[in-house]
Amino acid sequence: AQSVTQLGSHVSVSEGALVLLRCNYSSSVPPYLFWYVQYPNQGLQLLLKYTTGATLVKGINGFEAEFKKSETSFHLTKPSAHMSDAAEYFCAVSEGNQGGKLIFGQGTELSVKP
Amino acid sequence: ETGVTQTPRHLVMGMTNKKSLKCEQHLGHNAMYWYKQSAKKPLELMFVYSLEERVENNSVPSRFSPECPNSSHLFLHLHTLQPEDSALYLCASSLGTSFLGETQYFGPGTRLLVL
Repeated sequence: AQSVTQLGSHVSVSEGALVLLRCNYSSSVPPYLFWYVQYPNQGLQLLLKYTTGATLVKGINGFEAEFKKSETSFHLTKPSAHMSDAAEYFCAVSEGNQGGKLIFGQGTELSVKP
Repeated sequence: ETGVTQTPRHLVMGMTNKKSLKCEQHLGHNAMYWYKQSAKKPLELMFVYSLEERVENNSVPSRFSPECPNSSHLFLHLHTLQPEDSALYLCASSLGTSFLGETQYFGPGTRLLVL
């Protein structure tokens, strides 16, 4: 069955430090992969999405993610964290065997320390 | 209004009440979704509508009843809920109806508390 695992329910970094949020998926066919961000008291907002082609995907707010098929991973990174990056981040997968619907990971809460 | 809007933003109801959640999308999309977001759990897909026809019902209890009168509006009717139904209810929409790889656009959610 298709699934998404986000390693670490909570990640804390200092302002200016590298942000790395991990996501692994299980899929029997090439998937479409997403990262969404949820700020407090708001809905989910798309950060970036991988469909086909270039495996390094750039998104909004300086975030990027790399699709690594051999590792079944789609980790999210940002070189330098800002205080405004504090939020919850969700990885999601969409694949044909599941009717294309989005399957979400459990989320990772990112805290940024001054 | 732009994007996906939801009303009310907050709702407190007793277990015997009947209430409705409303979602409206201003994006010209053809598919709409209801999700439940509980603390410490992944988002749970509840219902999916494609061109106003329900195409998914993920074993949701009958005390939740969706309605999609047109492609821009989606309702979730609530009746005799339980305290464990307290959660954030998110509405989303997407342009296409194939679902595969479709970006979903989310509303801000309705925070529901059942007493």
